[in-house]
Amino acid sequence: KNQVEQSPQSLIILEGKNCTLQCNYTVSPFSNLRWYKQDTGRGPVSLTIMTFSENTKSNGRYTATLDADTKQSSLHITASQLSDSASYICVVSDRGSTLGRLYFGRGTQLTVWP
Amino acid sequence: EADIYQTPRYLVIGTGKKITLECSQTMGHDKMYWYQQDPGMELHLIHYSYGVNSTEKGDLSSESTVSRIRTEHFPLTLESARPSHTSQYLCASRGLADYQETQYFGPGTRLLVL
Repeated sequence: KNQVEQSPQSLIILEGKNCTLQCNYTVSPFSNLRWYKQDTGRGPVSLTIMTFSENTKSNGRYTATLDADTKQSSLHITASQLSDSASYICVVSDRGSTLGRLYFGRGTQLTVWP
Repeated sequence: EADIYQTPRYLVIGTGKKITLECSQTMGHDKMYWYQQDPGMELHLIHYSYGVNSTEKGDLSSESTVSRIRTEHFPLTLESARPSHTSQYLCASRGLADYQETQYFGPGTRLLVL
């Protein structure tokens, strides 16, 4: 069964601090991995996308890494801001279907306190 | 920002009522999707469409139905709402030419069935 597991389930940090979120997956064959940010009451918004050959991708203060051998990814947030409070969802796409099938993690709920 | 819209944003309705959740996108995307998301849980695909007059059921069994009469419009209907249908419903779309397979999400509809 294809699965995407994220940790921690929730995280509280102080404004200005850094944090790292983890994602482990078993999806095969692998196409790409995305990190989405979902604000409360909103739809997910794509932050980064990485294919098999990429092992790091940055988007401002967000840096994602991918180890396709161990099937692990991380999302590092630098100098956190209050607006970073959201759920961060790891999404893996398989290579085998024309549907562009996506496998979603349950997300890490990040809260940034002032 | 993605041009995909959902209405209503919030809906409280009594058991047995018929409801239609609207989703429209102005990006000319052929592929559209409906997901169901409960708090703290992953998104589950309930319906998808490759284009006009094409609709398929997703991974999660749902009593809802969908239609795709126009490219830009993908409404979801519940003939008789029940409390078990209480959830958040997210609509997404994707362009055929997008090799990165990015799905763009609407803001979601939060449904509460009493």
